[in-house]
Amino acid sequence: GAVVSQHPSWVICKSGTSVKIECRSLDFQATTMFWYRQFPKQSLMLMATSNEGSKATYEQGVEKDKFLINHASLTLSTLTVTSAHPEDSSFYICSATRWGGETQYFGPGTRLLVL
Amino acid sequence: GENVEQHPSTLSVQEGDSAVIKCTYSDSASNYFPWYKQELGKRPQLIIDIRSNVGEKKDQRIAVTLNKTAKHFSLHITETQPEDSAVYFCAASVGGGYQKVTFGIGTKLQVIP
Repeated sequence: GAVVSQHPSWVICKSGTSVKIECRSLDFQATTMFWYRQFPKQSLMLMATSNEGSKATYEQGVEKDKFLINHASLTLSTLTVTSAHPEDSSFYICSATRWGGETQYFGPGTRLLVL
Repeated sequence: GENVEQHPSTLSVQEGDSAVIKCTYSDSASNYFPWYKQELGKRPQLIIDIRSNVGEKKDQRIAVTLNKTAKHFSLHITETQPEDSAVYFCAASVGGGYQKVTFGIGTKLQVIP
């Protein structure tokens, strides 16, 4: 158990367009989901924490109007990169935790390339 | 906020030898320390974790030690195998994995056959 999926696995878009990434917990209810960004050969940088039904908590330096996060249900969170630019190109990974659980289960990641 | 430092950044060992990765953390309130393994292009996978009320935890060839006083923790892999080659991340959290987890920079481990 504890499988997290992400869709799409990769996306190429033109500069100025918006991209939506979905994160789903397939076999458990995720009270909390996290969104990370990972540049090549670097660590995972937390962007925001989202709890079902409430507004996401963004890390310092992350623009909440640019990276829109919605956690509408206990199994789905979405990250929308609005007006994407080449510097937004990165590997975006979500993770999810069960209610009362400690372990973060990671999705397979979404590779975004903005041209 | 929490700051996690990890070293070395790269580590090469001969197959069968042991590998040790060390991390330090800054927030004395941190009480949960997971370790993740990430193979190239894949998702991070939890390999072992430890809570602050425990000094050592072992799972087959993998062990983690924690020194709360010094605020450092280490990952030990014995009898390394080529499939252990990956990037390993240490992390620290206050309250558990359902809270914000701060990751170290990562250690690229290469096991030479």
